[in-house]
Amino acid sequence: SAVISQKPSRDICQRGTSLTIQCQVDSQVTMMFWYRQQPGQSLTLIATANQGSEATYESGFVIDKFPISRPNLTFSTLTVSNMSPEDSSIYLCSLREDYTDTQYFGPGTRLTVL
Amino acid sequence: QQQVKQSPQSLIVQKGGISIINCAYENTAFDYFPWYQQFPGKGPALLIAIRPDVSEKKEGRFTISFNKSAKQFSLHIMDSQPGDSATYFCAASRVGYNKLIFGAGTRLAVHP
Repeated sequence: SAVISQKPSRDICQRGTSLTIQCQVDSQVTMMFWYRQQPGQSLTLIATANQGSEATYESGFVIDKFPISRPNLTFSTLTVSNMSPEDSSIYLCSLREDYTDTQYFGPGTRLTVL
Repeated sequence: QQQVKQSPQSLIVQKGGISIINCAYENTAFDYFPWYQQFPGKGPALLIAIRPDVSEKKEGRFTISFNKSAKQFSLHIMDSQPGDSATYFCAASRVGYNKLIFGAGTRLAVHP
């Protein structure tokens, strides 16, 4: 299975600041995703990030708040902008293997906003 | 129509028992149904997945049962062990779409 790493693993940030989360995968994949998991909750898709195109955002998520980059087939970043305590969550990077439906998740970034 | 309903919310099973988690869906276009296992502080890990062309899939102690007519699928964990204590998520997706729709999750505790 694919190996996905995320940095940072956790962070504590002040209200109004921004944090960029990095996701690195060990193989080239077309489709990467960013999810949010609020404490004790299920996973919610933020956006789909394909290399070479603009990210596609789900309802309730906007580019100004969650800008995403996908510069190549093994790397993506998610920025959480102008943070508020409501943004405190685990943010998960995910990929789907090319030509299959199999989707893998990274270890997550645990964000606390004070 | 995009929802996946998962039950129970939490489950306590004795060591050696069978854990059963159920999911139901509405959208008949769904054609891929994975289960994920998540330990505290970790990302979800793919456990097992099934497509509608089979009614059951088994991998070790984990079995998915699929009932297409009832639009339901379930995860059975045989001989449950304390190490199986985790949160389990069912999910569904459809051909041509990239989005996995997740259930609400089931917190399983296996007592020794």
